[in-house]
Amino acid sequence: AQSVTQLDSHVSVSEGTPVLLRCNYSSSYSPSLFWYVQHPNKGLQLLLKYTSAATLVKGINGFEAEFKKSETSFHLTKPSAHMSDAAEYFCVVSEGNTPLVFGKGTRLSVIA
Amino acid sequence: DGGITQSPKYLFRKEGQNVTLSCEQNLNHDAMYWYRQDPGQGLRLIYYSQIVNDFQKGDIAEGYSVSREKKESFPLTVTSAQKNPTAFYLCASSSQTGYFNNEQFFGPGTRLTVL
Repeated sequence: AQSVTQLDSHVSVSEGTPVLLRCNYSSSYSPSLFWYVQHPNKGLQLLLKYTSAATLVKGINGFEAEFKKSETSFHLTKPSAHMSDAAEYFCVVSEGNTPLVFGKGTRLSVIA
Repeated sequence: DGGITQSPKYLFRKEGQNVTLSCEQNLNHDAMYWYRQDPGQGLRLIYYSQIVNDFQKGDIAEGYSVSREKKESFPLTVTSAQKNPTAFYLCASSSQTGYFNNEQFFGPGTRLTVL
């Protein structure tokens, strides 16, 4: 069965500095991997998705993630944080016809 | 304007009462899902439906029930058997059945509080 671990429950960065949100996964097969973002009391929005094509995936709002099979990681990065990036971020894994498995989330704070 | 709507946004329930949360989508998606979100726990799947008149239990279906009589609607009933129903409930849909690696689109959520 697949699983996902988000290594930090809370990350705090200054505006204009890089963002790194870490995610490790466990999967028996070739997984699909997602990053979703959730602003307070809102639904989730897809940032980006990996499905066995290019290992470097570009998403919306300047975010990107790199699939590293040898490290079983799918870390989310952004070169320069903006105040509007403050939110909860979820790493998600799926094995084709099995339901999505969500990490517990990482709360990103951006300091002015 | 396509999307998923959930109502109500906030819901208060007395112990022992059943309540129904509404989820409607106009994206023409075949698959719909209900998740429960608790602080620091991520999202957990309650029920999902890949086609009209059919649905499957997720990881935490006890104390909940659903129906799928129409493609665009997937209401969730929280019954009195659910011992700890206070949570944020999210509905989602996706276009392709049989494969969960398709993007899921989420509604804005309903916050349920038991008094």
